[in-house]
Amino acid sequence: QKEVEQNSGPLSVPEGAIASLNCTYSDRGSQSFFWYRQYSGKSPELIMFIYSNGDKEDGRFTAQLNKASQYVSLLIRDSQPSDSATYLCAVIGRTGFQKLVFGTGTRLLVSP
Amino acid sequence: NAGVTQTPKFQVLKTGQSMTLQCAQDMNHNSMYWYRQDPGMGLRLIYYSASEGTTDKGEVPNGYNVSRLNKREFSLRLESAAPSQTSVYFCASSSLGGNQPQHFGDGTRLSIL
Repeated sequence: QKEVEQNSGPLSVPEGAIASLNCTYSDRGSQSFFWYRQYSGKSPELIMFIYSNGDKEDGRFTAQLNKASQYVSLLIRDSQPSDSATYLCAVIGRTGFQKLVFGTGTRLLVSP
Repeated sequence: NAGVTQTPKFQVLKTGQSMTLQCAQDMNHNSMYWYRQDPGMGLRLIYYSASEGTTDKGEVPNGYNVSRLNKREFSLRLESAAPSQTSVYFCASSSLGGNQPQHFGDGTRLSIL
């Protein structure tokens, strides 16, 4: 079992819809959870981070964390074609230092 | 504000050649990291430096060495390049302690022939 798992996609949504991206992790002691966006040929860009159970909103983005079920999700409201990218989920486990473990990413395609 | 700067952006090497990838950050971060990204494998940690003067192995350290030159700079060296080291290399930095997010440089695209 991979430490951090994501569906590779592509996830296709029409412009204006809500895109829902999901991530599961295996280490029950994981502390922190991050979402990065990566455009093709570019570097990962931090979008959101969440540490506690529940929802965290930032503009059109909402991160949701459920530690009991070991999943974290990212909702993108009013999706735009410019949101088309690969979204990477990253988790810090219980190792005591901030070593991020990345999923392989979900490719999102937003069609006009 | 440059953030994390990596040089070079592209490089082609022959098998057996050596090379050093450079990384510098201007965010006064204590911790720095080197990753490689390969198709289908995601980002994997090669080495990290929690603070100036310390370095530790990550998930895939074989074939690499690192030097934390000072607080700003963290270099990655390939002593004898192999085709399996063809990849995109990213440097990142973060504040020390807790669960600080990491910020990435633009990457170095390295091909080993």
